[in-house]
Amino acid sequence: DAGVIQSPRHEVTEMGQEVTLRCKPISGHDYLFWYRQTMMRGLELLIYFNNNVPIDDSGMPEDRFSAKMPNASFSTLKIQPSEPRDSAVYFCASSLWGQGAPKFGPGTRLTVT
Amino acid sequence: EDQVTQSPEALRLQEGESSSLNCSYTVSGLRGLFWYRQDPGKGPEFLFTLYSAGEEKEKERLKATLTKKESFLHITAPKPEDSATYLCAVSHLIQGAQKLVFGQGTRLTINP
Repeated sequence: DAGVIQSPRHEVTEMGQEVTLRCKPISGHDYLFWYRQTMMRGLELLIYFNNNVPIDDSGMPEDRFSAKMPNASFSTLKIQPSEPRDSAVYFCASSLWGQGAPKFGPGTRLTVT
Repeated sequence: EDQVTQSPEALRLQEGESSSLNCSYTVSGLRGLFWYRQDPGKGPEFLFTLYSAGEEKEKERLKATLTKKESFLHITAPKPEDSATYLCAVSHLIQGAQKLVFGQGTRLTINP
């Protein structure tokens, strides 16, 4: 079990640029979650997928944010255009139906200047 | 709206000095109370799940307990390697998934 894999681990970009964060969930897991962590707001759920289908995106802050899961082993979170207030650590997590706690990846630290 | 409040925000202890962290919650239809540990620069690492009032779980120097309104994480004779941020979360079980709402965490420092 390689765990949840995220890339890049660090991203620095300028305001207005497009940013794409990537996630590979644990093999066999059928739920995938994207969280954002900031000092002010803590860990917030942005969106989650079940069997590659988005189920709840009510946590996505604005239309500038979008997420996709084209197959069971890959998901992206895109911010376009990026703004300084998007600076945060973005975590991907995955879990298996009915089997408890999501497992988190190492996160991507995003800095927008 | 679900709310999770953790206290204290930060706690500094001497090695061997036992203490407890608190997590109080308001949620409609609790399906689980989760504790995670987070080290700097890393993702949260799962510790415990509690499902009903009166339930207790233990792992090494940690013991988690649950009542109808709060959960405690008791740390007995802690060591410096127990230093981390401890996160509490409540869950809605939706379509088989655990949709978690997190507290702000307690930053624990154990001095040797």
